[in-house]
Amino acid sequence: RKEVEQDPGPFNVPEGATVAFNCTYSNSASQSFFWYRQDCRKEPKLLMSVYSSGNEDGRFTAQLNRASQYISLLIRDSKLSDSATYLCVVNPNNDMRFGAGTRLTVKP
Amino acid sequence: NAGVTQTPKFQVLKTGQSMTLQCAQDMNHEYMSWYRQDPGMGLRLIHYSVGAGITDQGEVPNGYNVSRSTTEDFPLRLLSAAPSQTSVYFCASRRDRSIGELFFGEGSRLTVL
Repeated sequence: RKEVEQDPGPFNVPEGATVAFNCTYSNSASQSFFWYRQDCRKEPKLLMSVYSSGNEDGRFTAQLNRASQYISLLIRDSKLSDSATYLCVVNPNNDMRFGAGTRLTVKP
Repeated sequence: NAGVTQTPKFQVLKTGQSMTLQCAQDMNHEYMSWYRQDPGMGLRLIHYSVGAGITDQGEVPNGYNVSRSTTEDFPLRLLSAAPSQTSVYFCASRRDRSIGELFFGEGSRLTVL
């Protein structure tokens, strides 16, 4: 079993749609959680951290369920510029483990 | 702002050749790491370092060596390249040893024939 698992997609949605991505992790010792965004042929960049109480940054909402070892990312009012691959990341020790990513395409 | 700089951006090797991927950061970050990214596999950690003189293995260390003689530099050495090492390699750093945002270089695309 992979340490971090994500639905690979692709998710194809129209502009303005709401889309949700899920991620599960296997290491219960994981202490911190993140969502990164990666554009085609570019390096990953931090989108947002995920806090225990859930957190929001504009159109983006992240949730964490430690009991189920589950993380989610919700994007509201999708924009064309949201098209990218979204990577779920957990930090069990000094290193960080990445999911394979969920690809999102937002269409006009 | 330079951030994390990787060189070369592209490289083609023959099986059995050796090479070094260079990584430098100018943010005085303690932690540096190397990942490889393959289709459907996500980023996998090769080696990491929590400070000068300290290195440790990640998930897929075989066939790679690293050293951290300075805070700024963290080169990745391929000892004897194999086609299975064809991948995109990313160097990343963060300020703290155990937590915080990872900053990535632009990646190095390596093909081993």
